Amino acid sequence: AQKVTQAQTEISVVEKEDVTLDCVYETRDTTYYLFWYKQPPSGELVFLIRRNSFDEQNEISGRYSWNFQKSTSSFNFTITASQVVDSAVYFCALSERDTGRRALTFGSGTRLQVQP
Amino acid sequence: DTEVTQTPKHLVMGMTNKKSLKCEQHMGHRAMYWYKQKAKKPPELMFVYSYEKLSINESVPSRFSPECPNSSLLNLHLHALQPEDSALYLCASSQDQRAYEQYFGPGTRLTVT
Repeated sequence: AQKVTQAQTEISVVEKEDVTLDCVYETRDTTYYLFWYKQPPSGELVFLIRRNSFDEQNEISGRYSWNFQKSTSSFNFTITASQVVDSAVYFCALSERDTGRRALTFGSGTRLQVQP
Repeated sequence: DTEVTQTPKHLVMGMTNKKSLKCEQHMGHRAMYWYKQKAKKPPELMFVYSYEKLSINESVPSRFSPECPNSSLLNLHLHALQPEDSALYLCASSQDQRAYEQYFGPGTRLTVT
């Protein structure tokens, strides 16, 4: 069965600090997809990134970067020079292509608080 | 345009009421989803429609009744709800059900009194 673990429940940083959000997943499928979503206080889930299991290249988008390591089943998310607007709950999610039910399984989320 | 719209934004209903939540997308997506989210919890999948057919029902009580009138619209009909059904109801869509990214609407915050 698929499972996503976000061990950090809450993280608090001061603006301009770098912060890494951890995500560890379990799956039996050889082809799967990993996602990160941001949920600000307004409630809407905002899609950030999708990663395919066969593509382990790290990705950078502005202040955001993602480190995908199949060897440790991790898909970590780093925010560089954090800003107050980054305050939100961040969810990591997994979807299996073949053996799974083809729906997102979310981790429990990490609440990030960026203090000015 | 990656917009999913939901109406209403807020809904308060009594346990004997019947109401409906609406969701719309114009991205040509063929999969649409309903999620329920309680405070400080991740979204929980309720239903998935794929090409306008119900694909997944996560054993949701029958007081929740989904409907997909066409490929752009998704409704959730509510009847005889319980106070514990109070939550944020999120709609999402994706290109199809093959693990593409899902785009979420802003949600309907439902309170059952």
